[in-house]
Amino acid sequence: AQSVTQLGSHVSVSEGALVLLRCNYSSSVPPYLFWYVQYPNQGLQLLLKYTTGATLVKGINGFEAEFKKSETSFHLTKPSAHMSDAAEYFCAVSDPPYDKVIFGPGTSLSVIP
Amino acid sequence: SAVISQKPSRDICQRGTSLTIQCQVDSQVTMMFWYRQQPGQSLTLIATANQGSEATYESGFVIDKFPISRPNLTFSTLTVSNMSPEDSSIYLCSVGGGAVSYGYTFGSGTRLTVV
Repeated sequence: AQSVTQLGSHVSVSEGALVLLRCNYSSSVPPYLFWYVQYPNQGLQLLLKYTTGATLVKGINGFEAEFKKSETSFHLTKPSAHMSDAAEYFCAVSDPPYDKVIFGPGTSLSVIP
Repeated sequence: SAVISQKPSRDICQRGTSLTIQCQVDSQVTMMFWYRQQPGQSLTLIATANQGSEATYESGFVIDKFPISRPNLTFSTLTVSNMSPEDSSIYLCSVGGGAVSYGYTFGSGTRLTVV
């Protein structure tokens, strides 16, 4: 059965520093993988997704993630954190037929001035 | 990607009552999904709303508590029945992917508080 783990329920970075949010998945078949962001008291926004093809996926707001099958990982990165990046980030997975999405527990990102 | 409208955006309800949440999509989609996000938690899938057939519920969720309707390919409702304070959550609808990707987008959610 598909599942997602996110290492670190809370991550703090300094403004301008690298953002690295970790995600590992469990799936018996090639999955689709997603990162969503949820700002305080707001809805859920899709940052990026991997389906097939290029394993390095670029998303909105300068974020990117790399699908590594050998490590069953899909870590999210951003070279330089901005105060506006403070939010909750969810990694998610979808197995064939790739219709519904199953979420990880989430990582809360804080950005320190 | 599909655009989803969800209402109400928030509500405060008395325990023991029921609330029906509506989800409207701007295009025809095969399946719609309902999620619950309890305070400070991640999203948990409640059920898949299938057009023309009964909804498919995930483990831990039952039809008597969360009846779902799907009268056509652009609309679905989720009812939270006989509410208790433990039902206070954000409820979200979504269209997923499948053979035709609908963008894996979500509605803006319904913030429910039960008092």
